[in-house]
Amino acid sequence: EAGVTQFPSHSVIEKGQTVTLRCDPISGHDNLYWYRRVMGKEIKFLLHFVKESKQDESGMPNNRFLAERTGGTYSTLKVQPAELEDSGVYFCASSQVPGMRGEQYFGPGTRLTVT
Amino acid sequence: GQSLEQPSEVTAVEGAIVQINCTYQTSGFYGLSWYQQHDGGAPTFLSYNALDGLEETGRFSSFLSRSDSYGYLLLQELQMKDSASYFCAAYNFNKFYFGSGTKLNVKP
Repeated sequence: EAGVTQFPSHSVIEKGQTVTLRCDPISGHDNLYWYRRVMGKEIKFLLHFVKESKQDESGMPNNRFLAERTGGTYSTLKVQPAELEDSGVYFCASSQVPGMRGEQYFGPGTRLTVT
Repeated sequence: GQSLEQPSEVTAVEGAIVQINCTYQTSGFYGLSWYQQHDGGAPTFLSYNALDGLEETGRFSSFLSRSDSYGYLLLQELQMKDSASYFCAAYNFNKFYFGSGTKLNVKP
C-alpha cells in the first residue's frame, strides 16, 4: 500500500510569487490534514478535510492560503502571493478514523523557501 | 489557547532508558499521541493514550495522566537509530495540536 505522497519535495520561490503544493493521501482515507512546521517550532495545524469538505480550516494563516480537495482524493494548497514568513515545511497527513487510535499517516513534507 | 510543552533536547547513551515528558493545555482533550521524525523524513506514529495509564509497544511505552495534563514517552534499550525528534500531540476531536518536538541524541 502506497503511503502519503507530496509534491514537490522542495520549492524555492520569490516573495510575491505563487506556489501550489500537492498531497496524495492513502487510498480510502477520507480525512486529510495540512500542517506546517516553521524551523524549530511546533507542527501547526492548518486545516482538515473530510472527503472533499473542509471540516476545520481554523489554522489557515490568512486568505493568501487556499486549499482544495477535488473529488475527495488528492489535495492542493496554494499560497498566493507568497511572503517570507510562509517559509517552512508543509506536511500532509491522512487517516481513516482519526479519533479511534490517534493515528495519522504523514507524507514526507514539502520544504518551501520564500526569498 | 492550546499549548504543549516538551523539552527541546535530550541526550542519552546506547542501551539506556530515556523519558520524554509532555505537559499540555488544551480544550476538548481526547487523547495524546506520540510521533517520531528522523531528519528530513515524515513523522511516524508511535503510540496513543486515550485513557490514563501506560501503553507498551515493544521498547516504547507511553503514559498519560489526564488529571495532571501530563504524559511521557519512555524509550528503553536505546539504539543509535532512535536518534530523532519526538513529538507529543493532543487530539481534540477534529485536529491534533503538536508540541515543538524533543530532539533525542543517542551516543555510543
